This record gives sequence, C-alpha cells and structure tokens, in this order.
Amino acid sequence: DVKVTQSSRYLVKRTGEKVFLECVQDMDHENMFWYRQDPGLGLRLIYFSYDVKMKEKGDIPEGYSVSREKKERFSLILESASTNQTSMYLCASTDRAEGGEQYFGPGTRLTVT
Amino acid sequence: GIQVEQSPPDLILQEGANSTLRCNFSDSVNNLQWFHQNPWGQLINLFYIPSGTKQNGRLSATTVATERYSLLYISSSQTTDSGVYFCAGILTGGGNKLTFGTGTQLKVEL
Repeated sequence: DVKVTQSSRYLVKRTGEKVFLECVQDMDHENMFWYRQDPGLGLRLIYFSYDVKMKEKGDIPEGYSVSREKKERFSLILESASTNQTSMYLCASTDRAEGGEQYFGPGTRLTVT
Repeated sequence: GIQVEQSPPDLILQEGANSTLRCNFSDSVNNLQWFHQNPWGQLINLFYIPSGTKQNGRLSATTVATERYSLLYISSSQTTDSGVYFCAGILTGGGNKLTFGTGTQLKVEL
C-alpha cells in the first residue's frame, strides 16, 4: 500500500511566521504535489515536483515555495504566513509522468491568526 | 484545462438505499479518479478508472470515455459512507495536473 504522511494534522501559526509543511511518501514515487482545499473553491494545485530538486508552479503558487532535496520528501514553505493562507493543505504523489493515479496524505489544517 | 462537473451536489439517503453519483468532464482524459473525503479531511482513493467498469465491495464505477462521463454506484449504503465524494481527471497530454469536481455531499441516515 502506498503511504503518504504529513508532518502535522493541525497547525496554528501567527501572521508573518515562516511555516514548513512536510510530506513524505514511501513508494519511491518521482512526482509529488501540494494542493490546498477551501470551501467553495475546491482543491487547487499549488506546486508540484517531478524529480529531486525539480519543481513547477501550479495554479496558485503566489506566497508559497517548495523544496525537494530527497525523492521521498516534498516540503511546502510559507515564507511569511498570512491569514488568507488559512486552509487545508493536502500532499499527493504518483509514480507516472502522465496520468498516474495520485495518492493523498491525511492533510494539514493550517490556521494563521 | 478540463472542466469537471458533479451531480447531485447533495444527497441524503436512508441506510440500505442505493445511489448513483455522476461526473461529467469536458475533454478526453487519461486519468479519472473517484475519492471519498472522510470527516477528518483525508482523501481516500476509491477508483482509478480512465475507462471501463470496476467493482470494490459495495462500490462500483463506470467510465464511458467516449461520452465523457463517469458514474459511481453505492449499493446498500451505510452511515460510514457519509462524506464528500470527488471525481477528478487529467486531460490527455496534461501531465499530472489533476482537476477536481466540486463534490457530492452524501449523508446516510439510520
């Protein structure tokens, strides 16, 4: 079974703080993704990575950066957290370059006060 | 990218009833997935079904790629089936960019 884990289920941070969200997958998948989910807006892709040290912007990259130093780990960084980044963050991975089945982690519910 | 529409947006069932959820997509896809989001927010993979029919216990899914729709069948529903069901697809040639529908909120009552 594919397992995708995220470092925290719930996180509360203050405006202006630097925030790290960590995602780890154990299936040697090359492709990893960060999404955020908001009521009324659905799930939206923030960033993805198709290899170590490679990254591409998704639909809403503003205010975020990512890091992929090891194949199994993909980090989402909020350089200076703002209240409009309060959301549910979901990480996913897949083993195919195109059209692959994506497997999701349990999610991190981030609140920025 | 593709547009993904789901219906109905909300559904209330009595335990034991059957239901069909529908997903329409605007263009050809090489990935079509169905997920169940549990109350804690995790997306559980139900089916990876770009075409054809699959069954897993009380759940089954059919994708008719040529007509651009997919159906999720839930039989003998249970209260634990409650939650939000999403379909999501990737446009053929669209890499791994998964586009989600807006979901069907299902509530199963005793």
